[in-house]
Amino acid sequence: ETGVTQSPTHLIKTRGQQVTLRCSSQSGHNTVSWYQQALGQGPQFIFQYYREEENGRGNFPPRFSGLQFPNYSSELNVNALELDDSALYLCASSKGGTQRDTQYFGPGTRLTVL
Amino acid sequence: DQQVKQNSPSLSVQEGRISILNCDYTNSMFDYFLWYKKYPAEGPTFLISISSIKDKNEDGRFTVFLNKSAKHLSLHIVPSQPGDSAVYFCAAAGSARQLTFGSGTQLTVLP
Repeated sequence: ETGVTQSPTHLIKTRGQQVTLRCSSQSGHNTVSWYQQALGQGPQFIFQYYREEENGRGNFPPRFSGLQFPNYSSELNVNALELDDSALYLCASSKGGTQRDTQYFGPGTRLTVL
Repeated sequence: DQQVKQNSPSLSVQEGRISILNCDYTNSMFDYFLWYKKYPAEGPTFLISISSIKDKNEDGRFTVFLNKSAKHLSLHIVPSQPGDSAVYFCAAAGSARQLTFGSGTQLTVLP
């Protein structure tokens, strides 16, 4: 069984640029959640996709957007990057669309905005 | 506004002894709680959970206790092993479709 994978591992961008992060969910999982983890903090919920539809959103501005594809892989897009967007971005997949379904996390993408 | 708080950034424990990690929450709508463990360069891994209808859940060396009146939960690890050294996150869920995480506690188990 393949676990959750994310690409790229690391990324450096400059302020104002746009970035796309990718996540492949675990086999059999139809739900993907994205989190932002700033240094010294816990993961903060960005949004969740369930069967290709956004299924919940945290307190993040619209420049954070996402997609889920028919194979349940997902993308996180961030426009107009700001310095504070520097963080570890984690995706997690699960079998169902509720938060009681165990979420399996990928290793994350480290984004640095200069 | 931190709805889930882990007030101890770090904890050191001798191998074989008990590790107790604490977590407080403020939102009374939370009704499901989880603990995740994170090693460096890896994503968080689910450890154990508890529903608000229970006050204790046990899985091997790991036990989670929930005190709803105090809005407090704790994770007990007995006996602690060096491989348990990691960052532990407490998380909570309610009706909203999201997990709210604490800031984590770095546990170091000394051989």
